[in-house]
Amino acid sequence: EVQLLESGGGLVQPGGSLRLSCAASGFTFSSYAMSWVRQAPGKGLEWVSAIGTGGDTYSADSVKGRFTISRDNSKNTLYLQMNDLRAEDTAIYYCAKHPVAGNFDYWGQGTLVTVSS
Amino acid sequence: QTVVTQEPSFSVSPGGTVTLTCGLSSGSVSTSYYPSWFQQTPGQAPRTLIYNTNIRSSGVPDRFSASILGNKAALTITGAQADDESDYYCVLYMGSGIRAFGGGTKLTVL
Repeated sequence: EVQLLESGGGLVQPGGSLRLSCAASGFTFSSYAMSWVRQAPGKGLEWVSAIGTGGDTYSADSVKGRFTISRDNSKNTLYLQMNDLRAEDTAIYYCAKHPVAGNFDYWGQGTLVTVSS
Repeated sequence: QTVVTQEPSFSVSPGGTVTLTCGLSSGSVSTSYYPSWFQQTPGQAPRTLIYNTNIRSSGVPDRFSASILGNKAALTITGAQADDESDYYCVLYMGSGIRAFGGGTKLTVL
């Protein structure tokens, strides 16, 4: 059974940093691309970043230069390093697994990030 | 910048059929966009219904189907049930590693 478990969320001041983790199990982690998707309170889903099996990375313009996605295949873990956080980054952050080609087939339960002074 | 479009809201009667769509502000959706569909109820994580245009995710009932209809991706729910009342999102692969979600459709079953 595929399981994705996010952690690392919390309250951080504007301008601060946070690192999210997503522990994966139930599939061969290294063989699949992964993404982070967020949802601000009362809003829709927003794709944040993706990482391919070869380590290639892609990010939305809204986080480019501030957020970095990475993976450790030896630990079956996906990361999102978030720097220079802003109030508008407040959201639930979900990790999502991609199928062999295309968009997301499995989701984690999410971790809440709140950026506030 | 091209925007992914969805109906903001839709209503269906119990037992009825409804088709939600996912389009582009400019251009047509094709299988190359790998359209996927997700269901989300308040306070819950999204659940994948359909990925890669028409592949039903594990455990999803065959009341949910999807296709390309004209210039849009479409999600059809047949025999709507009360617990289908949810928010439905689509996502498209825009190329160069970039994905974009639609704004979501709030489906009411009444």
